[in-house]
Amino acid sequence: KAGVTQTPRYLIKTRGQQVTLSCSPISGHRSVSWYQQTPGQGLQFLFEYFSETQRNKGNFPGRFSGRQFSNSRSEMNVSTLELGDSALYLCASSLGTVASPLHFGNGTRLTVT
Amino acid sequence: DQQVKQNSPSLSVQEGRISILNCDYTNSMFDYFLWYKKYPAEGPTFLISISSIKDKNEDGRFTVFLNKSAKHLSLHIVPSQPGDSAVYFCAASPYAGNNRKLIWGLGTSLAVNP
Repeated sequence: KAGVTQTPRYLIKTRGQQVTLSCSPISGHRSVSWYQQTPGQGLQFLFEYFSETQRNKGNFPGRFSGRQFSNSRSEMNVSTLELGDSALYLCASSLGTVASPLHFGNGTRLTVT
Repeated sequence: DQQVKQNSPSLSVQEGRISILNCDYTNSMFDYFLWYKKYPAEGPTFLISISSIKDKNEDGRFTVFLNKSAKHLSLHIVPSQPGDSAVYFCAASPYAGNNRKLIWGLGTSLAVNP
């Protein structure tokens, strides 16, 4: 069974630009969550999508948005990039029930200059 | 303010010995706890979980203990192997039906020396 695939692996952008990250979940998984990982803050929850609907959201500004398609693939968009957005962005998929563990992709490393 | 705390940034143990990784939490609404392992350049991998109705859960060499009164959980790895060297994250989730919003600790880097 293929794992969670995130593209691209690495991205370099300039302040003020926008970026779109992509995540393909494990087949059959309907829930996709996004996390931001930075050295000082650890893993912070961005949002979760289930069956194309955002059902949970973290405490990030509106510049961070996402969506999920009918095939469960998800995209995350960050507009008006800031230097502090430099981080590893991780996507995780699951069956979506409370006891089902998250399966993570290898992440997209975003660097904002 | 960190609701999930892993107070030891790093831990070093000898191969074959026990590794004990600790995690403290502050929110009494947390009722589901998970441990993940992360190798460099890879995403975290699920290890083991425990719900608040239990105080212990075992899976092979990995055992998680939960002390609700102390708001403390620990992961025991016995025996430790060099391949266990990784960063270990503790995560907690408040009850919210099927919604999952995990709160993560900052991780403990475990080094198992041959």
